Amino acid sequence: DAGITQSPRHKVTETGTPVTLRCHQTENHRYMYWYRQDPGHGLRLIHYSYGVKDTDKGEVSDGYSVSRSKTEDFLLTLESATSSQTSVYFCAISESETGGPYSNQPQHFGDGTRLSIL
Amino acid sequence: QKEVEQDPGPLSVPEGAIVSLNCTYSNSAFQYFMWYRQYSRKGPELLMYTYSSGNKEDGRFTAQVDKSSKYISLFIRDSQPSDSATYLCAMSVYGNKLVFGAGTILRVKS
Repeated sequence: DAGITQSPRHKVTETGTPVTLRCHQTENHRYMYWYRQDPGHGLRLIHYSYGVKDTDKGEVSDGYSVSRSKTEDFLLTLESATSSQTSVYFCAISESETGGPYSNQPQHFGDGTRLSIL
Repeated sequence: QKEVEQDPGPLSVPEGAIVSLNCTYSNSAFQYFMWYRQYSRKGPELLMYTYSSGNKEDGRFTAQVDKSSKYISLFIRDSQPSDSATYLCAMSVYGNKLVFGAGTILRVKS
């Protein structure tokens, strides 16, 4: 298994509260990603990082922010959680073969965080 | 129209059958193709990774890419109940983000 740990694994919270999800890797990979997975939509990219302090938006970034202060940790924050953000969140990592913002190397996933916002 | 289309299933087969899972895509620039397997309440696990066209085999799994038809396939030989999972295809253009299909649910009955 790729050395990826997501925490917490489950969380229930209320609308309007801030929520932070953590992804920790032990592979020293440069690229890290946050996805959400919803029925009928598959995996959708929220934000990604191509190095420490280097992050960018994905296709569904509204309402989310990220931070990466160390190679091994990538944090996803919901500033003010809404019910539409109830989902399963996955972190992924990949190696780099270029210096660009995207890696074409395969991504390896953690086991996800199930987030319910009531 | 989605960039990557995948029949959601479920696809039910008896144990030992040959399974064919497929994805079609619209962007002819896709070059990197992947298949992931996802068990319930787990993250996607990489099964196959191919570049450009052709076949790739790994044990009971064979991945095929037909760029002229914009169609990729994953074949599973001698399917087992442990193969029951959701299978996701994914693809990308060089230097761009990975695009996923929505997944096909496979059930292998013993």
